[in-house]
Amino acid sequence: EAGVTQFPSHSVIEKGQTVTLRCDPISGHDNLYWYRRVMGKEIKFLLHFVKESKQDESGMPNNRFLAERTGGTYSTLKVQPAELEDSGVYFCASSPMMGRTLNEQYFGPGTRLTVT
Amino acid sequence: GENVEQHPSTLSVQEGDSAVIKCTYSDSASNYFPWYKQELGKRPQLIIDIRSNVGEKKDQRIAVTLNKTAKHFSLHITETQPEDSAVYFCAAEGSARQLTFGSGTQLTVLP
Repeated sequence: EAGVTQFPSHSVIEKGQTVTLRCDPISGHDNLYWYRRVMGKEIKFLLHFVKESKQDESGMPNNRFLAERTGGTYSTLKVQPAELEDSGVYFCASSPMMGRTLNEQYFGPGTRLTVT
Repeated sequence: GENVEQHPSTLSVQEGDSAVIKCTYSDSASNYFPWYKQELGKRPQLIIDIRSNVGEKKDQRIAVTLNKTAKHFSLHITETQPEDSAVYFCAAEGSARQLTFGSGTQLTVLP
């Protein structure tokens, strides 16, 4: 079974530009989460999708960040316009809706975003 | 909201010794506590978890203990090996299924 995948693995953009990150969850996982780790600090929650609906977006830093999950499969996270403080590693995770492992979140490899 | 504190931030042990990482949480409603291991440049990997209806769980050399009254939980690694070297994160699951992470512990196992 394929794990969570993310694209790109690394992105370097200039301040003011736009970047779109993509996450493909494990097939069949209705829960999809975005997290961010900035400057070696803790991993912080951004938002949570259940299928195509935003369940919780309390961690989104501001309106420059837009997440979508059309069709309830893959998700995108767009940063527009990017600022220097947006640099960090963006992780995606997924988990099933039910079953013995419903709490277990499986992480993707992350996208390292560098804003210069 | 939930707040998770993790200690120590760095830990060095000799190969074969034990390592213990401790975390505290603030939200008494949290019921699920996973631990993740992240090797350099790789994804966080779930290594063990514990739910609030048990006090201890063991998987080979790794064990986790939970004290709900005191709101703290710990990761114990016995007979450490060089490949155990990584950053370890504790986390607590909130009511909306999001994870709140500790700040991480860089574990170095010296050969």
